[in-house]
Amino acid sequence: ETGVTQSPTHLIKTRGQQVTLRCSSQSGHNTVSWYQQALGQGPQFIFQYYREEENGRGNFPPRFSGLQFPNYSSELNVNALELDDSALYLCASSLGGLTGNTIYFGEGSWLTVV
Amino acid sequence: AQTVTQSQPEMSVQEAETVTLSCTYDTSENNYYLFWYKQPPSRQMILVIRQEAYKQQNATENRFSVNFQKAAKSFSLKISDSQLGDTAMYFCAFLRVSGGSNYKLTFGKGTLLTVNP
Repeated sequence: ETGVTQSPTHLIKTRGQQVTLRCSSQSGHNTVSWYQQALGQGPQFIFQYYREEENGRGNFPPRFSGLQFPNYSSELNVNALELDDSALYLCASSLGGLTGNTIYFGEGSWLTVV
Repeated sequence: AQTVTQSQPEMSVQEAETVTLSCTYDTSENNYYLFWYKQPPSRQMILVIRQEAYKQQNATENRFSVNFQKAAKSFSLKISDSQLGDTAMYFCAFLRVSGGSNYKLTFGKGTLLTVNP
């Protein structure tokens, strides 16, 4: 148990729709990152939030957006879904200012776009 | 930009034997961390072992150890006394150390390890 929970675990959406994925961070962790993992690939960094502000972004278009709330839970929103958005989306939480061994991953949300 | 390369898409080993997974990386940074993560069918990413670049001593965690060659930018994982529960996808990952809270992990494509009874 890492203390990071994600919902939903699986969902199916139609191309063009919008989706919101949710992440509850480990208690006290003020940094959350989102990763996209396509089938057979390693996770790719989408963006990171620290104290409710985005402070790092990977090579993803603006239709990928996020929020971090005062309780440090987080959302990943994807608009205008494309077939290539089908992937496992992983949330990772950490305590800012410390080293990488405090990064904890959730079990992910499987998104299928049809 | 950093890149991480895992040249072995799949490997297999007999139970109780030893296996080594390879990882190379490319970076101009001098201060960073390297990790091996395990991802079983449950898809949860589990930290196996970590190595700070400034430490010359290779990290060890029970049956797991690394061979860190900083000059060669190589970071291999050795699993001793392999167990059936070690069957999983293994990812090598790089973390650049920076000020603030930038914790972007760069992952390799993974190596699927199967432990056979």
